[in-house]
Amino acid sequence: DIQMTQSPSTLSASVGDRVTITCRASQSISSRLAWYQQKPGKAPKLLIYEASSLESGVPSRFSGSGSGTEFTLTISSLQPDDFATYYCQQYNSYPTWTFGQGTKVEIK
Amino acid sequence: EVQLVESGGGLVQPGGSLKLSCAASGFTFSGSAMHWVRQASGRGLEWVGRIRTKANNYATVYGASVKGRFTISRDDSKNTAYLQMNSLKTEDTAVYYCTRPECTGGVCYIQHWGQGTLVTVSS
Repeated sequence: DIQMTQSPSTLSASVGDRVTITCRASQSISSRLAWYQQKPGKAPKLLIYEASSLESGVPSRFSGSGSGTEFTLTISSLQPDDFATYYCQQYNSYPTWTFGQGTKVEIK
Repeated sequence: EVQLVESGGGLVQPGGSLKLSCAASGFTFSGSAMHWVRQASGRGLEWVGRIRTKANNYATVYGASVKGRFTISRDDSKNTAYLQMNSLKTEDTAVYYCTRPECTGGVCYIQHWGQGTLVTVSS
């Protein structure tokens, strides 16, 4: 099974900060990686697919990069609405999906 | 607009059964595989399983932790997917999400999520 490891688990930042979250796969997953944002009590929301493709309607301050085993999600200028938990997901082994453990972005 | 609405969650005793439903609208349900994903309180996301379309013989596949206990089915005439959960354990306590994938090059990620339904397994 492919394992996904995110870092950090928690991140404290201020509005306007540039934020980077890392996701590592236990083996190569090509570019088959998605990022989701989840707010308390809500379902996750797709932000990025194919490692770097921005889902329609998602603000351009979100970007993704990477391939193989190492990936990053970057928020160029953190906004109040961005405080949430972020998950990466590999789908290279589809139909089996595995997720990272999540990164909580908190207000500093 | 794609909508996925789960129902059927609740409190059940260990060893019991529960059947969740997912009512879909806004897309051609019969042409889409459907997946279930769960999330224990304060925990991460875990893939539960998938059902394919009639053209693919309604083939199902499950995660290791639920295989042999959970069954996914669908009724295309009702635009509804189901998750039958048997022999429930306390560790099955979670919010269960119905999801619709978007596929590219033979692999798929989750484009749409339902709002989730809470299943609590406790005596």
